[in-house]
Amino acid sequence: LAKTTQPISMDSYEGQEVNITCSHNNIATNDYITWYQQFPSQGPRFIIQGYKTKVTNEVASLFIPADRKSSTLSLPRVSLSDTAVYYCLVAQANQAGTALIFGKGTTLSVSS
Amino acid sequence: EPEVTQTPSHQVTQMGQEVILRCVPISNHLYFYWYRQILGQKVEFLVSFYNNEISEKSEIFDDQFSVERPDGSNFTLKIRSTKLEDSAMYFCASSALRGTSGSYEQYFGPGTRLTVT
Repeated sequence: LAKTTQPISMDSYEGQEVNITCSHNNIATNDYITWYQQFPSQGPRFIIQGYKTKVTNEVASLFIPADRKSSTLSLPRVSLSDTAVYYCLVAQANQAGTALIFGKGTTLSVSS
Repeated sequence: EPEVTQTPSHQVTQMGQEVILRCVPISNHLYFYWYRQILGQKVEFLVSFYNNEISEKSEIFDDQFSVERPDGSNFTLKIRSTKLEDSAMYFCASSALRGTSGSYEQYFGPGTRLTVT
């Protein structure tokens, strides 16, 4: 499984756009890039996933360059409730039942 | 929106005792997982389960752990003889057979906090 590296922590203010970058230099051809969010004392929650280029949903955008060795999670106009730990994971597609391997994630703190 | 549920929310047990943690996965999901998170540490994979058998397990999932799907709705994790180091938050997750995008989004439950004294 490809190892991921992301910043330990980030600080932001309400209303700002937050970009969290993750590197995954050894990503394999069949790997998808997936981001999860975890609030204190809760289970991780799926945010977004992608394979290449850009993916956008109602919560976030995910930018993946052509070489797929990194990805950037973009959270538009964050609020206090976006304070959480964000995990970048690489997981094989077409492989049901595969374990998700979590790193330490990025702790995002949003202040007013 | 369908969700994974877990009971109890908090379990306190004495070292050496057996505990069973219960989960009700999302009804049309076929893959089930257990993860744990020791306080202040990262989420760790324990085991995945499909078609009434373990499909993958980690080094953490040793002989003191077992999983079972006793009926059509519940998925359980049993720890036979708990140790102090088993104290953690245990998360159950489930996923569908195949996601529309080709990957397998896992839906996590709220967790059971296990405290071993």
